[in-house]
Amino acid sequence: AQTVTQSQPEMSVQEAETVTLSCTYDTSESDYYLFWYKQPPSRQMILVIRQEAYKQQNATENRFSVNFQKAAKSFSLKISDSQLGDAAMYFCATLGGNKLVFGAGTILRVKS
Amino acid sequence: ETGVTQSPTHLIKTRGQQVTLRCSSQSGHNTVSWYQQALGQGPQFIFQYYREEENGRGNFPPRFSGLQFPNYSSELNVNALELDDSALYLCASSLAGGQFKGTQYFGPGTRLTVL
Repeated sequence: AQTVTQSQPEMSVQEAETVTLSCTYDTSESDYYLFWYKQPPSRQMILVIRQEAYKQQNATENRFSVNFQKAAKSFSLKISDSQLGDAAMYFCATLGGNKLVFGAGTILRVKS
Repeated sequence: ETGVTQSPTHLIKTRGQQVTLRCSSQSGHNTVSWYQQALGQGPQFIFQYYREEENGRGNFPPRFSGLQFPNYSSELNVNALELDDSALYLCASSLAGGQFKGTQYFGPGTRLTVL
């Protein structure tokens, strides 16, 4: 079984500042992947970043990076130089086998 | 490269009716997964199709069924609609192998309202 926990229902960040969204997970799979997805008000689910669990190196994608702590089963997302367009619901998800299991999401508000 | 598309965008049905939602996968993708997202919650896995066969199912009753066609497009059918079926239905496509295997790319969703 897989579970994903996002303990921050809502976060705020000032434009151009850095914010970190937290995620912990549990899985019985030995080969799994972790993702962060962004869902703006349009409700289109957009892939932000992907991490293979067998890779120790943290994934980065432009202003987005992760801190993957496999032993602690932690997978946080850091957004640098926050922009107004980053405002959205962010979901952490784990893929084990063939299905994605999502957390409850964190609403990110960006203040100008 | 064409992304994942879904139709219709919005749908209103009454309790007891049947509905069919459609999804075209991203170019080159051979796997389609369906998710249900209630308002304020994360998406829940309904099922996945690979090579026209069901390849895993979540905790949804048999009145949720699906199909995948030779061109990898897919349908989600829901019979005997209930009020709780009101949700955003998301389709995601992926590749079963290769460098980005399993990474799911989502369509814009179909918003179903059951009255």
